[in-house]
Parts: sequence; C-alpha cells; structure tokens
Amino acid sequence: EAGVTQSPTHLIKTRGQQATLRCSPISGHTSVYWYQQALGLGLQFLLWYDEGEERNRGNFPPRFSGRQFPNYSSELNVNALELEDSALYLCASSLVGTGGVGGYTFGSGTRLTVV
Amino acid sequence: GEDVEQSLFLSVREGDSSVINCTYTDSSSTYLYWYKQEPGAGLQLLTYIFSNMDMKQDQRLTVLLNKKDKHLSLRIADTQTGDSAIYFCAERNSGNTPLVFGKGTRLSVIA
Repeated sequence: EAGVTQSPTHLIKTRGQQATLRCSPISGHTSVYWYQQALGLGLQFLLWYDEGEERNRGNFPPRFSGRQFPNYSSELNVNALELEDSALYLCASSLVGTGGVGGYTFGSGTRLTVV
Repeated sequence: GEDVEQSLFLSVREGDSSVINCTYTDSSSTYLYWYKQEPGAGLQLLTYIFSNMDMKQDQRLTVLLNKKDKHLSLRIADTQTGDSAIYFCAERNSGNTPLVFGKGTRLSVIA
C-alpha cells in the first residue's frame, strides 16, 4: 500500500512569489492535514480538510490556503512568500473518526526555501 | 489553549535506557502519541496510549501516562545508535481538533 506522497520534495522560490505543494493521502483516508515545521518551532498546524471541506485552520495568515479534490488529494498554496515561510511542510492523512485511535500517517514533506 | 511541552535535547550512551518526557495542558486529551522523525524524513508513529490507560509496552518501548499530572513519558530500553532522531509527543482530545505536537526532543545516542 502506498503511503502519503508529497510533491515536490524540494522547492525554491523568490520572496513575493506563490508556492503550490501537493499531497496524496493513503487510499481510503478522507482527511488531510497540513503542518509547517520551521526550525526551532516544532510542528505548527496549518489546515485540515475532509470530504472536500476545510474543517479547521491554524493560526496562519490568509495567504496560506488550500483545497481538497474529489479524490481526496490536497494542495497547499502559499501566496506572497516571505523569507520566514521557509520550512518543511508536512502532509498527513487519517480516517475521519478513527484518526484519534491510530493517529496520522505522514508524508516525507516538501522543503520550501524562500530566497 | 492546548499546549504540549518537551525538553529539547537528550543524550545517552548506547545500551542505556532513554526516557523522554512530555507534559500537556488539555485535561480532555483522549489520545496521546509518540512520533519519531529521522533526518530528512517525515514523522513515523511509534506508539499511542488512550487516556484511560497508565502504561503501554511494545518491545523496547514503554509509555507511561500520569493523567493527574498530565505527564507522558517514553522509555526506550537498550538504546541503539539507530534510535538517534527527534521524538515528538502529541495529544488530541475527542473533539473535532487536529493533533497538537510538542517541539520535539532530539535524542543523541553516543556509541
């Protein structure tokens, strides 16, 4: 069974540009979560999508947005990139309702560097 | 709001036991997790414990939960160099909320 896949692995953008990160969940998982892992800050929750809807949002500005497609894959968009957006962006998936039992399955992340 | 605290660094000698500690603030936490992150990789679920348990053992891993003090620990017996990684504690209540993670404890194993 394929795990959670994220693309691209690495992304280099210039300040002010837009970045698009993609995530495919484990087959059968309907929930997708996005976390930002910046140096020294641990994992900060960004967004949670389930069945195409945004279920919860972390304390991030509106230039962080995303969506979930009918096949449950998800996209994270970051507009007007700032230097401090440089981080590892991790996507995770779970079965809604049982996510609390088995936790999340994480992808390997997209390393975004803003120069 | 919910908060999860961990010490940032731990160094042990190969063969010794490692104990990584975590405290959390949400008294309604229902599920608590330990994840491992190796360099350049995502997070791997190691183990989890329900809040109605006080101990769980899985091979070299022992999880202890003190719900009264909101304290969770992960003990790794016979620590090996391959255990060197960042270990994250995470909690979730039974509501419609995502996992809340600590900042992670970097475990260094000295040969």
